[in-house]
Amino acid sequence: NAGVMQNPRHLVRRRGQEARLRCSPMKGHSHVYWYRQLPEEGLKFMVYLQKENIIDESGMPKERFSAEFPKEGPSILRIQQVVRGDSAAYFCASSPASEQYFGPGTRLTVT
Amino acid sequence: GIQVEQSPPDLILQEGANSTLRCNFSDSVNNLQWFHQNPWGQLINLFYIPSGTKQNGRLSATTVATERYSLLYISSSQTTDSGVYFCAVDPGGFQKLVFGTGTRLLVSP
Repeated sequence: NAGVMQNPRHLVRRRGQEARLRCSPMKGHSHVYWYRQLPEEGLKFMVYLQKENIIDESGMPKERFSAEFPKEGPSILRIQQVVRGDSAAYFCASSPASEQYFGPGTRLTVT
Repeated sequence: GIQVEQSPPDLILQEGANSTLRCNFSDSVNNLQWFHQNPWGQLINLFYIPSGTKQNGRLSATTVATERYSLLYISSSQTTDSGVYFCAVDPGGFQKLVFGTGTRLLVSP
């Protein structure tokens, strides 16, 4: 059973561009979560999704950030008009119920 | 919101030594997990332990939910144990983990 997969692993964007981060959960897991880790900090919850539904987006910035988990395909975290402060590691996790399993992360650098 | 404090913040060990890492949380929780973030940034699941004691090789963990703390024991440490150890809790059963401040461990040969 493959683990949680994220791509790309590294992403470089110029200020003002869009960033799309993808996450494929483990087989049989219907819950997906996104977390952000700023340099030298712990992880902070962003959003919790199930198929075609956003369950909790209380950690998402109000503007420029959106997430989806369509019926088919991976979950997508989309950041529009990126700024330098968006540079961070973005982790996706999936869960069958309670225990969460994390992917390797996408490291976003905004230049 | 819930506060999750870990101690010590930094720890340096000689290879072969034992250590205990602590995680205190300020409110009752439905879920507690321990993770190891290795020097390459990957998060490795160590334990899912909302209560009780578990062991996995040289690592073991104990959570005393009524007293709001959890302990991670590392025995016979190895250089590959280096990295940052996080505990994370789900306070409301809403499945969003709140991460602790982390313990940075360096094991030297």
